[in-house]
Amino acid sequence: AQTVTQSQPEMSVQEAETVTLSCTYDTSESDYYLFWYKQPPSRQMILVIRQEAYKQQNATENRFSVNFQKAAKSFSLKISDSQLGDAAMYFCAYRRPRYGGSQGNLIFGKGTKLSVKP
Amino acid sequence: EAGVAQSPRYKIIEKRQSVAFWCNPISGHATLYWYQQILGQGPKLLIQFQNNGVVDDSQLPKDRFSAERLKGVDSTLKIQPAKLEDSAVYLCASSTDRLSGANVLTFGAGSRLTVL
Repeated sequence: AQTVTQSQPEMSVQEAETVTLSCTYDTSESDYYLFWYKQPPSRQMILVIRQEAYKQQNATENRFSVNFQKAAKSFSLKISDSQLGDAAMYFCAYRRPRYGGSQGNLIFGKGTKLSVKP
Repeated sequence: EAGVAQSPRYKIIEKRQSVAFWCNPISGHATLYWYQQILGQGPKLLIQFQNNGVVDDSQLPKDRFSAERLKGVDSTLKIQPAKLEDSAVYLCASSTDRLSGANVLTFGAGSRLTVL
């Protein structure tokens, strides 16, 4: 079974600095998708960034980028120029391939709580 | 585009009572998911629908949980009877069913259940 591990329960970063959140996963599949979702306190989960496993190029979205190491099964998130609004729980997720004729569902890690200090 | 709607946002019940949560996905999204998020943990899939059919309900505690998606649009998740360990946020999400691409799940705000 696929698993997702986030080894950092909590992280802290100074405003305007850079922080990296770690994620490792375990799968025997070769084609899959990886995601980082952000969940602010008492607010809904929103997509930060996604990565297709067949693409060697690391995904970037403005201040957010990933370091995808397929062989090592590692998928870390880098947040540059951290802002107060970045404070939230961050979840790494693995998306299983299509199943039963439908989209694969997400398997989440336990999350990393990011605090941003002014 | 309207997002995923869920209700109620908060519910407090006594153990052994029943509760129902409602979800209306984004228009046109064929796939609907219910996740359970216990405090301090990542969401865990309970059930996945494609249109009005069940794709995966392997982690749904079927002795107490049930879900339906009549007409392939909105969905209801029911718990009867509730246990203390059912206290959690119940997240609904939906996605398109295109044959290719990373179809992104869009989440609702969640329904927070407290069982006393």
